[in-house]
Amino acid sequence: EAGVAQSPRYKIIEKRQSVAFWCNPISGHATLYWYQQILGQGPKLLIQFQNNGVVDDSQLPKDRFSAERLKGVDSTLKIQPAKLEDSAVYLCASSLPQEPITLNTEAFFGQGTRLTVV
Amino acid sequence: QQQVKQSPQSLIVQKGGISIINCAYENTAFDYFPWYQQFPGKGPALLIAIRPDVSEKKEGRFTISFNKSAKQFSLHIMDSQPGDSATYFCAAARISEKLVFGKGTKLTVNP
Repeated sequence: EAGVAQSPRYKIIEKRQSVAFWCNPISGHATLYWYQQILGQGPKLLIQFQNNGVVDDSQLPKDRFSAERLKGVDSTLKIQPAKLEDSAVYLCASSLPQEPITLNTEAFFGQGTRLTVV
Repeated sequence: QQQVKQSPQSLIVQKGGISIINCAYENTAFDYFPWYQQFPGKGPALLIAIRPDVSEKKEGRFTISFNKSAKQFSLHIMDSQPGDSATYFCAAARISEKLVFGKGTKLTVNP
């Protein structure tokens, strides 16, 4: 079974530039998450999609970050303009929706995109 | 507001020893408590998870102990091996909602 695919693996940009990340979740996974992981910290959810609808974007800095999931499969996360504090690893994860709710709510993570803003 | 507090920040254990990582949570609505393991350059991977209706869950050398009244849970790694060296994250969530992660514990197992 193929895992969550993300690209690019690394990106270096100057502040005020824009950048986009791409994620292809595991086939059949309706739920897709974008997490931001700053060095030395745990991942923090930016946005959660259920199919192509947004479930939770409460921690997404909407003045500069945007995300979409067209057709309920692939997703892109964009930052425009980037700030120095956006330097982090951006992780995409996917999971099956739980109906009925079980313990098996495993979220599978991709390898992430390491963004450096200089 | 940090909803999940994890300690220690780093841990060094000798091969064969027991590694213990602790987490405390604040939100009593949480009902799903996973532990994730992350190797350098990789995304986190689910290691073991528990729901609050049991006090302990064991899978191989990994055990979660859960104390609902204290709002604490811990990961025990028995017979720790150098291959266990990684960063471990506890997390908490309501089922099907977002995971809230702790800050992580970097475990080093010396040979």
